[in-house]
Amino acid sequence: DSGVTQTPKHLITATGQRVTLRCSPRSGDLSVYWYQQSLDQGLQFLIQYYNGEERAKGNILERFSAQQFPDLHSELNLSSLELGDSALYFCASSDAGGPKETQYFGPGTRLLVL
Amino acid sequence: AQSVAQPEDQVNVAEGNPLTVKCTYSVSGNPYLFWYVQYPNRGLQFLLKYITGDNLVKGSYGFEAEFNKSQTSFHLKKPSALVSDSALYFCAVRDTTSGTYKYIFGTGTRLKVLA
Repeated sequence: DSGVTQTPKHLITATGQRVTLRCSPRSGDLSVYWYQQSLDQGLQFLIQYYNGEERAKGNILERFSAQQFPDLHSELNLSSLELGDSALYFCASSDAGGPKETQYFGPGTRLLVL
Repeated sequence: AQSVAQPEDQVNVAEGNPLTVKCTYSVSGNPYLFWYVQYPNRGLQFLLKYITGDNLVKGSYGFEAEFNKSQTSFHLKKPSALVSDSALYFCAVRDTTSGTYKYIFGTGTRLKVLA
């Protein structure tokens, strides 16, 4: 168990809908990363937050947004969902987000858009 | 651009035999390299990392990895494979150019250990 929790585990929804994925980092970790794992794109970085502030964006669509709250949990919001958004979404956390630090991953949320 | 390559989609090995999962990297600056394992319906579990120092890095579950600067490789190894090692393995490099320090992952290698 990495200490990173994600809810829900599974999500089934329809095209055009909006969903929210939640992540609680390990105790004391300030940095949260979101990744998407799909069959055709592999594991791709989406966005990073550090202590409540957005630090970096990766391959994140404009329909997607995220935030990190004062208690350091993070939410990833996916809207106007399309079939191609079906994927496994992971969050990871690390202490300060430096290059030598290990990121610890949650179990993921599997999203299926029908 | 920084990248990692895992040239083998799948590796098959007999139980008890040594295993190697290959990874090569391309970075500017110091390489920070990681190996993760993903079991079915599970998240990624950290195995080991190379930051600096000894070229042979020891990690969890009996795995180790050899950093080779001249060949820009970071191959994952285990002296004696177990059936329970069957999983998807990812090599990753830290992106030190964009300020995010995000992971750049390889495409993954599926390891099958045959009884």
